[in-house]
Amino acid sequence: GDSVTQMEGPVTLSEEAFLTINCTYTATGYPSLFWYVQYPGEGLQLLLKATKADDKGSNKGFEATYRKETTSFHLEKGSVQVSDSAVYFCALSLYSSASKIIFGSGTRLSIRP
Amino acid sequence: GAGVSQSPSNKVTEKGKDVELRCDPISGHTALYWYRQRLGQGLEFLIYFQGNSAPDKSGLPSDRFSAERTGESVSTLTIQRTQQEDSAVYLCASSFGLQETQYFGPGTRLLVL
Repeated sequence: GDSVTQMEGPVTLSEEAFLTINCTYTATGYPSLFWYVQYPGEGLQLLLKATKADDKGSNKGFEATYRKETTSFHLEKGSVQVSDSAVYFCALSLYSSASKIIFGSGTRLSIRP
Repeated sequence: GAGVSQSPSNKVTEKGKDVELRCDPISGHTALYWYRQRLGQGLEFLIYFQGNSAPDKSGLPSDRFSAERTGESVSTLTIQRTQQEDSAVYLCASSFGLQETQYFGPGTRLLVL
């Protein structure tokens, strides 16, 4: 079935470090891909998305490129800040499945000052 | 309001009791989704409403779970005879329709003692 696998956390980095959170997917069709973020004490927010192969989603300095050949959607940021500490969820949706979102298990990111 | 709202924000109940969770979607959003987030796990799809179409109930874990939606507005998720494994955060999301961005509410944290 359709699924998302992302690197397990927690991930702890120092401020200004480079961040990569790996995400791969399995899907029967052509999914849209997402990264959602959940800051401490807050609800789930869409961080970025890409709807077709080779698209790059970007927001708040984060980027992810839809790679069909490797079925991946890795999240990257060149210089993280303490305020980026949160749980990050990779996800996909398929129009053929009523666009219900299939989430990865989440990666907790902690940034040290 | 501007976003998806859910009530109550927290609910503690005794095993065997029924609970009802409420979701108010963003005005004009025809699609409404319920998800469950168990502690330390990813989000699981539960049920989906789109306009006047029959809901997609494929994610409901048992017949103790049911949901209703009044037109294109409020939805209620009911859990009958609650069990301890029902303890989770229940999230509601809405969107303008299929293939549109889903906006999440803050969730209802349910604890079954």
